Amino acid sequence: EPEVTQTPSHQVTQMGQEVILRCVPISNHLYFYWYRQILGQKVEFLVSFYNNEISEKSEIFDDQFSVERPDGSNFTLKIRSTKLEDSAMYFCASRGGDTINQPQHFGDGTRLSIL
Amino acid sequence: LAKTTQPISMDSYEGQEVNITCSHNNIATNDYITWYQQFPSQGPRFIIQGYKTKVTNEVASLFIPADRKSSTLSLPRVSLSDTAVYYCLVGETGGGNKLTFGTGTQLKVEL
Repeated sequence: EPEVTQTPSHQVTQMGQEVILRCVPISNHLYFYWYRQILGQKVEFLVSFYNNEISEKSEIFDDQFSVERPDGSNFTLKIRSTKLEDSAMYFCASRGGDTINQPQHFGDGTRLSIL
Repeated sequence: LAKTTQPISMDSYEGQEVNITCSHNNIATNDYITWYQQFPSQGPRFIIQGYKTKVTNEVASLFIPADRKSSTLSLPRVSLSDTAVYYCLVGETGGGNKLTFGTGTQLKVEL
């Protein structure tokens, strides 16, 4: 069964540094998402992406965050200047076409630790 | 988005059937009901989705009454490996619609 893959599985970064989290969505999927989950808390929506542009973003997704689909297979989340509170699991998800009942499929996440 | 209410936790034993009920009193006409499972340090995994009546797949069944104000996820003959958090989500699934997760139900299966 096709799956969403994320790299790295764990990223440790100094506060203030830039970090890029990478995702390979399921082939032929058209909608892409990033979510995060702080330890012990709910899964939170960050951003959705379709047709090479952001569809929706949450309040969390401020100017420090950006997303990109640099080629036909990768989908990245960049945090420009990391803060301690950015420490969390970051999940990428993708969804197929426009059929209304197609679910989102998630990767197993990148654990981001900010020191 | 329709708010959902589900039990915080449930305990069961191997081989038992587990039913997790979710309330969603203000579900909208276009909303679907979707259940995800999450193991520690892993991403949510899609289990099942439905609009009305009953849906069954190889891992679970989803029962939705006619008024759609609640739904029940049924896991037949659970095993230890079914210990996880189960999330009930309600909303439109079209386009780029985001998912809004609650706190879910922590299911613990014991021998």
